[in-house]
Amino acid sequence: DQQVKQNSPSLSVQEGRISILNCDYTNSMFDYFLWYKKYPAEGPTFLISISSIKDKNEDGRFTVFLNKSAKHLSLHIVPSQPGDSAVYFCAAREYNFNKFYFGSGTKLNVKP
Amino acid sequence: DSGVTQTPKHLITATGQRVTLRCSPRSGDLSVYWYQQSLDQGLQFLIQYYNGEERAKGNILERFSAQQFPDLHSELNLSSLELGDSALYFCASSAQRLAGGTDTQYFGPGTRLTVL
Repeated sequence: DQQVKQNSPSLSVQEGRISILNCDYTNSMFDYFLWYKKYPAEGPTFLISISSIKDKNEDGRFTVFLNKSAKHLSLHIVPSQPGDSAVYFCAAREYNFNKFYFGSGTKLNVKP
Repeated sequence: DSGVTQTPKHLITATGQRVTLRCSPRSGDLSVYWYQQSLDQGLQFLIQYYNGEERAKGNILERFSAQQFPDLHSELNLSSLELGDSALYFCASSAQRLAGGTDTQYFGPGTRLTVL
Protein backbone atom coordinates (compact mmCIF):
# COMPACT_ATOMS: atom_id res chain seq x y z
CA ASP A 1 0.00 0.00 0.00
CA GLN A 2 1.92 2.97 -1.30
CA GLN A 3 0.84 6.14 0.43
CA VAL A 4 3.19 8.36 -1.57
CA LYS A 5 3.32 7.92 -5.32
CA GLN A 6 5.49 9.36 -8.01
CA ASN A 7 3.86 8.21 -11.20
CA SER A 8 6.53 9.42 -13.59
CA PRO A 9 9.64 7.24 -13.38
CA SER A 10 11.57 9.63 -15.59
CA LEU A 11 11.52 13.14 -16.99
CA SER A 12 13.69 14.77 -19.63
CA VAL A 13 14.01 18.54 -19.85
CA GLN A 14 16.14 20.96 -21.83
CA GLU A 15 18.64 23.08 -19.93
CA GLY A 16 17.15 26.44 -18.97
CA ARG A 17 13.57 25.20 -19.05
CA ILE A 18 11.31 24.39 -16.11
CA SER A 19 11.29 20.91 -14.58
CA ILE A 20 8.09 19.88 -12.83
CA LEU A 21 8.14 16.77 -10.71
CA ASN A 22 4.89 15.48 -9.27
CA CYS A 23 3.90 13.49 -6.25
CA ASP A 24 0.53 12.27 -4.98
CA TYR A 25 -0.34 11.03 -1.52
CA THR A 26 -3.29 9.36 0.10
CA ASN A 27 -2.89 9.89 3.83
CA SER A 28 -4.57 13.03 5.20
CA MET A 29 -2.51 12.69 8.40
CA PHE A 30 0.67 13.74 6.62
CA ASP A 31 1.83 17.06 8.05
CA TYR A 32 5.22 17.60 6.49
CA PHE A 33 6.51 16.98 2.99
CA LEU A 34 10.03 16.86 1.67
CA TRP A 35 11.94 16.50 -1.57
CA TYR A 36 15.27 14.74 -1.76
CA LYS A 37 17.75 14.49 -4.58
CA LYS A 38 19.87 11.39 -5.06
CA TYR A 39 22.94 10.86 -7.19
CA PRO A 40 24.18 7.33 -7.96
CA ALA A 41 26.22 5.71 -5.19
CA GLU A 42 25.24 8.43 -2.71
CA GLY A 43 22.57 8.81 -0.07
CA PRO A 44 19.61 11.13 -0.66
CA THR A 45 20.24 14.82 -0.04
CA PHE A 46 17.58 17.08 1.38
CA LEU A 47 16.39 19.68 -1.10
CA ILE A 48 13.32 21.50 0.16
CA SER A 49 10.35 20.93 2.44
CA ILE A 50 6.90 22.28 3.14
CA SER A 51 4.59 22.13 6.12
CA SER A 52 0.97 21.15 5.58
CA ILE A 53 -0.12 24.59 6.77
CA LYS A 54 1.50 26.21 3.73
CA ASP A 55 0.86 25.87 0.03
CA LYS A 56 4.17 27.10 -1.32
CA ASN A 57 7.79 27.21 -0.29
CA GLU A 58 10.60 28.65 -2.34
CA ASP A 59 14.35 28.28 -2.11
CA GLY A 60 16.34 29.71 -4.98
CA ARG A 61 15.58 27.78 -8.14
CA PHE A 62 13.42 25.28 -6.27
CA THR A 63 9.76 25.77 -5.37
CA VAL A 64 7.49 23.22 -3.80
CA PHE A 65 3.72 23.53 -4.14
CA LEU A 66 1.24 21.71 -1.96
CA ASN A 67 -2.41 21.21 -2.91
CA LYS A 68 -3.99 19.58 0.11
CA SER A 69 -7.44 19.19 -1.37
CA ALA A 70 -5.97 17.25 -4.29
CA LYS A 71 -3.34 15.55 -2.08
CA HIS A 72 -0.77 16.62 -4.58
CA LEU A 73 2.75 17.93 -4.27
CA SER A 74 5.00 19.29 -6.98
CA LEU A 75 8.57 20.48 -7.25
CA HIS A 76 9.46 23.15 -9.77
CA ILE A 77 13.05 23.73 -10.81
CA VAL A 78 13.64 26.92 -12.77
CA PRO A 79 15.87 27.17 -14.67
CA SER A 80 16.93 23.55 -14.93
CA GLN A 81 20.65 22.84 -15.11
CA PRO A 82 22.53 19.70 -16.20
CA GLY A 83 23.76 19.30 -12.60
CA ASP A 84 20.14 18.83 -11.54
CA SER A 85 20.13 15.46 -13.31
CA ALA A 86 19.44 12.98 -10.52
CA VAL A 87 16.67 10.91 -8.98
CA TYR A 88 14.19 12.98 -7.00
CA PHE A 89 12.20 11.47 -4.16
CA CYS A 90 9.24 13.05 -2.47
CA ALA A 91 8.54 12.06 1.11
CA ALA A 92 5.84 12.68 3.67
CA ARG A 93 5.68 12.40 7.42
CA GLU A 94 2.75 10.97 9.34
CA TYR A 95 2.72 13.22 12.36
CA ASN A 96 1.16 11.03 15.02
CA PHE A 97 3.56 8.21 14.34
CA ASN A 98 6.56 10.16 13.12
CA LYS A 99 6.84 7.75 10.20
CA PHE A 100 8.21 8.79 6.86
CA TYR A 101 6.94 7.54 3.53
CA PHE A 102 8.88 7.92 0.30
CA GLY A 103 7.79 7.79 -3.30
CA SER A 104 9.58 5.55 -5.78
CA GLY A 105 11.47 8.44 -7.33
CA THR A 106 11.59 10.30 -10.64
CA LYS A 107 14.78 10.30 -12.64
CA LEU A 108 15.35 13.78 -14.06
CA ASN A 109 17.62 14.24 -17.04
CA VAL A 110 18.48 17.82 -17.95
CA LYS A 111 19.92 17.96 -21.44
CA PRO A 112 22.53 20.62 -22.25
CA ASP B 1 29.61 14.68 2.81
CA SER B 2 26.52 14.54 5.06
CA GLY B 3 28.48 13.68 8.20
CA VAL B 4 26.63 10.38 8.57
CA THR B 5 28.83 7.31 8.20
CA GLN B 6 27.76 3.78 7.43
CA THR B 7 29.79 0.61 7.46
CA PRO B 8 30.35 -1.58 5.65
CA LYS B 9 29.82 -0.10 2.22
CA HIS B 10 29.17 -3.48 0.64
CA LEU B 11 28.21 -6.79 2.15
CA ILE B 12 27.80 -10.12 0.40
CA THR B 13 26.42 -13.03 2.34
CA ALA B 14 24.39 -16.20 1.97
CA THR B 15 20.78 -16.99 2.71
CA GLY B 16 20.10 -17.88 6.32
CA GLN B 17 22.98 -15.78 7.62
CA ARG B 18 22.93 -12.80 9.97
CA VAL B 19 24.57 -9.43 9.39
CA THR B 20 24.97 -6.18 11.29
CA LEU B 21 24.98 -2.78 9.63
CA ARG B 22 26.42 0.14 11.49
CA CYS B 23 25.61 3.84 11.42
CA SER B 24 27.23 6.82 13.09
CA PRO B 25 25.04 9.93 13.07
CA ARG B 26 26.20 13.50 12.56
CA SER B 27 27.77 15.03 15.60
CA GLY B 28 25.02 16.28 17.89
CA ASP B 29 22.16 14.46 16.17
CA LEU B 30 20.05 12.39 18.53
CA SER B 31 17.79 10.68 16.03
CA VAL B 32 18.68 7.82 13.73
CA TYR B 33 16.45 6.44 11.01
CA TRP B 34 16.88 3.26 8.97
CA TYR B 35 15.55 2.81 5.45
CA GLN B 36 15.60 0.00 2.91
CA GLN B 37 15.71 0.63 -0.82
CA SER B 38 15.09 -2.39 -2.98
CA LEU B 39 15.83 -2.36 -6.71
CA ASP B 40 14.01 0.46 -8.53
CA GLN B 41 11.86 1.20 -5.53
CA GLY B 42 11.53 4.06 -3.14
CA LEU B 43 12.90 4.11 0.35
CA GLN B 44 10.96 2.09 2.88
CA PHE B 45 11.09 3.47 6.38
CA LEU B 46 12.11 0.75 8.82
CA ILE B 47 12.62 2.26 12.24
CA GLN B 48 13.66 5.39 14.14
CA TYR B 49 15.57 5.76 17.38
CA TYR B 50 15.83 8.91 19.43
CA ASN B 51 18.49 9.17 22.11
CA GLY B 52 18.57 5.42 22.60
CA GLU B 53 14.83 4.80 22.58
CA GLU B 54 12.71 3.45 19.77
CA ARG B 55 10.56 6.36 18.51
CA ALA B 56 8.76 5.06 15.43
CA LYS B 57 8.41 1.79 13.60
CA GLY B 58 7.72 1.24 9.94
CA ASN B 59 7.59 -1.88 7.83
CA ILE B 60 10.38 -3.65 9.63
CA LEU B 61 10.35 -7.42 9.48
CA GLU B 62 10.52 -9.44 12.69
CA ARG B 63 13.81 -10.89 11.45
CA PHE B 64 15.26 -7.39 11.60
CA SER B 65 16.10 -5.48 14.74
CA ALA B 66 17.92 -2.30 15.59
CA GLN B 67 19.30 -0.46 18.54
CA GLN B 68 20.93 2.84 19.37
CA PHE B 69 23.80 2.86 21.81
CA PRO B 70 24.72 5.46 24.47
CA ASP B 71 27.28 7.01 22.10
CA LEU B 72 24.31 7.40 19.66
CA HIS B 73 25.62 5.10 16.97
CA SER B 74 23.08 2.60 15.74
CA GLU B 75 23.13 -0.94 14.43
CA LEU B 76 20.64 -2.72 12.23
CA ASN B 77 20.67 -6.48 12.61
CA LEU B 78 19.29 -8.62 9.82
CA SER B 79 18.91 -12.33 10.48
CA SER B 80 17.74 -15.45 8.61
CA LEU B 81 18.54 -13.56 5.45
CA GLU B 82 16.54 -14.22 2.31
CA LEU B 83 17.27 -13.34 -1.31
CA GLY B 84 14.64 -10.62 -1.13
CA ASP B 85 16.58 -8.82 1.58
CA SER B 86 19.14 -7.76 -1.00
CA ALA B 87 18.88 -3.98 -1.04
CA LEU B 88 20.50 -0.70 -0.18
CA TYR B 89 20.15 0.14 3.48
CA PHE B 90 20.36 3.79 4.39
CA CYS B 91 20.76 5.40 7.73
CA ALA B 92 19.80 9.02 8.33
CA SER B 93 20.16 11.27 11.32
CA SER B 94 18.51 14.44 12.52
CA ALA B 95 18.62 16.65 15.58
CA GLN B 96 14.91 16.02 16.27
CA ARG B 97 14.86 18.33 19.23
CA LEU B 98 11.10 18.66 19.22
CA ALA B 99 8.52 15.93 18.76
CA GLY B 100 7.09 16.47 15.31
CA GLY B 101 9.73 19.09 14.61
CA THR B 102 10.81 19.76 11.06
CA ASP B 103 14.40 18.71 11.39
CA THR B 104 16.13 17.73 8.19
CA GLN B 105 17.30 14.15 7.86
CA TYR B 106 20.86 13.72 6.66
CA PHE B 107 21.52 10.45 4.90
CA GLY B 108 24.59 8.29 4.91
CA PRO B 109 25.96 6.75 1.71
CA GLY B 110 24.24 3.43 2.37
CA THR B 111 25.24 -0.21 2.73
CA ARG B 112 24.61 -2.43 -0.26
CA LEU B 113 23.61 -5.88 0.93
CA THR B 114 23.67 -8.79 -1.49
CA VAL B 115 22.23 -12.10 -0.36
CA LEU B 116 23.23 -15.04 -2.53
